[in-house]
Amino acid sequence: NAGVMQNPRHLVRRRGQEARLRCSPVKGHSHVYWYRQLPEEGLKFMVYLQKENIIDESGMPKERFSAEFPKEGPSILRIQQVVRGDSAAYFCASSPLGRRGGLSNEQFFGPGTRLTVL
Amino acid sequence: SQQGEEDPQALSIQEGENATMNCSYKTSINNLQWYRQNSGRGLVHLILIRSNEREKHSGRLRVTLDTSKKSSSLLITASRAADTASYFCATDRGSRLTFGEGTQLTVNP
Repeated sequence: NAGVMQNPRHLVRRRGQEARLRCSPVKGHSHVYWYRQLPEEGLKFMVYLQKENIIDESGMPKERFSAEFPKEGPSILRIQQVVRGDSAAYFCASSPLGRRGGLSNEQFFGPGTRLTVL
Repeated sequence: SQQGEEDPQALSIQEGENATMNCSYKTSINNLQWYRQNSGRGLVHLILIRSNEREKHSGRLRVTLDTSKKSSSLLITASRAADTASYFCATDRGSRLTFGEGTQLTVNP
């Protein structure tokens, strides 16, 4: 069974370019979460998506960042007009169930995409 | 200060010794989870303890949770050099996990 897959593992962009990060959740998982990790820091929540729906985007910067999880295909985190401050590791996680009636579930993390903005 | 703060920030021990890391949080939680991250790699889930549990074991790992003090500890017994990594606690209050800044553990051979 494949775990969460992310690609690319490393991405280098120049300032002003666009970055597209892909995440394929564990097979059968319909809930995807994106986190960002700056050097020497913990992970910070960005967005939570279910198939075709954004459930919670309270951690996403208001501009330049967007996320989607289409019915078919991987989840995409898109960063437009990247700046040096966007350099970080971006992790995707998936779970089989979201919050439901007080239950909570383990999130399975991918290996991350390390974005470097020159 | 933020939810899920670990201490110490860094810990260096000799192989065979025990390592204890602590985590404090501020709001009510559904559960608390501990993760390990090797340098430059993704996160590996270690253990989950629910808010109605006080202690949990998994191999050489022992986790305690004190909801009255809003704190948790992770004990790694008989440490090995391969345990060298960053350890993060994460609190779960719904759709997101809130991570602390982590403890960097170094186990010297």
